Amino acid sequence: ILNVEQSPQSLHVQEGDSTNFTCSFPSSNFYALHWYRWETAKSPEALFVMTLNGDEKKKGRISATLNTKEGYSYLYIKGSQPEDSATYLCASTHPSNTGKLIFGQGTTLQVKP
Amino acid sequence: GAGVSQSPSNKVTEKGKDVELRCDPISGHTALYWYRQRLGQGLEFLIYFQGNSAPDKSGLPSDRFSAERTGESVSTLTIQRTQQEDSAVYLCASSLVGGRVGYEQYFGPGTRLTVT
Repeated sequence: ILNVEQSPQSLHVQEGDSTNFTCSFPSSNFYALHWYRWETAKSPEALFVMTLNGDEKKKGRISATLNTKEGYSYLYIKGSQPEDSATYLCASTHPSNTGKLIFGQGTTLQVKP
Repeated sequence: GAGVSQSPSNKVTEKGKDVELRCDPISGHTALYWYRQRLGQGLEFLIYFQGNSAPDKSGLPSDRFSAERTGESVSTLTIQRTQQEDSAVYLCASSLVGGRVGYEQYFGPGTRLTVT
């Protein structure tokens, strides 16, 4: 069974704080790791797709790292802003040749002004 | 260009009724996925379509659930004899192609289904 875990479940930070979340996934039969941001009443928005061990990706103040050997990925947000408040989802691509995603339960971030 | 659209955005139905949810993928995307999120749970895969290949229905929770897709266009997810446990946000996503290599999936805004 492919199980993706995220921690923490929720997080409250002050504006300006930097924060990070963890996603763990089975390291065997790994193909790709996806990070999404899901704001209330909007569509989940893709942040990163990572496939190679040691991958680091960055988009503005958000960055992510990937360790496929030990089965984890970190998402970092530098200098959090209220507009960063959202649920952050990670998902691992299922080993079947479909591309279907197995999602973690998400980390909900609340940034207080 | 236009993103993935879904309709209706909200649906309230009585237990036992049938519902149909619609998804319009991004033009040119051959892969289409349905997922759902029930309260307090993560997104779970339901069904996958890739072009004219046989769909992967392995995530459908019961035979009350079915889905169709005509070629590489619109998809409909039908739930027959709805139950309260079917209440969830149903999300559709499309991708240029399916497969394990990690193509980005583009999600629609979802349909919030409430079964009373």
